[in-house]
Amino acid sequence: QVHLLQSGAEVKKPGASVRISCKASAYTFTRYYIHWVRQTPGQGLEWMGLINPNGDTNYAHRFRGRITMSRDPSTSTIYMELSGLRSEDAAVYFCARELAVTCQFDYWGQGTVVTVSS
Amino acid sequence: EIVLTQSPGTLSLSPGESATLSCRASQSVSSLFLTWYQQKPGQAPRLLIYGASSRATGIPDRFDGSGSGTDFTLTISRLEPEDSAVYYCQQFGGSLYTFGQGTKLEI
Repeated sequence: QVHLLQSGAEVKKPGASVRISCKASAYTFTRYYIHWVRQTPGQGLEWMGLINPNGDTNYAHRFRGRITMSRDPSTSTIYMELSGLRSEDAAVYFCARELAVTCQFDYWGQGTVVTVSS
Repeated sequence: EIVLTQSPGTLSLSPGESATLSCRASQSVSSLFLTWYQQKPGQAPRLLIYGASSRATGIPDRFDGSGSGTDFTLTISRLEPEDSAVYYCQQFGGSLYTFGQGTKLEI
């Protein structure tokens, strides 16, 4: 059974960084893109960026300069780090997989809640 | 960046009725890259429709996607209480992905 297991909830102060992990299992890790999507309280979905099987990244314009995605093929784990946190970054962060560029996010992680508070 | 605008914001219908959800793009979108998701409270989104009109695995034929260019539609027939959710459209274009703001369907 394909599974994307995300790390647990985080509480951060404004200006800090947060790093969330997404561990993939039961599929060929190197065949799929991994995306990060966030959802602010009561709001819709926002695409943040992707990392492809080669480790290349593509970030949404509004996060460029603040976001870094990386991967560890040896553990099938993908990481997303967001720096310079502000109150509006408080959200649920999801990872999701896509088979190449098909615009089909077929499996999602369970979500990681990030709280930003002083 | 292509902006997707979904309407209506909220739709309240009764079981057995049909729902029509709209997704309008700010510029033309390839039908290959227009996708619909369903999200229930406290859950991750679920892939419903891809390629504008193809149902994902396990999605009943009550869910039907259509459209092209800038106008896309998700139609849900014979509504059931379990269809209560927020529905999002998504597109890929210009190396970027964007989501619509969602339509809340209440049964």
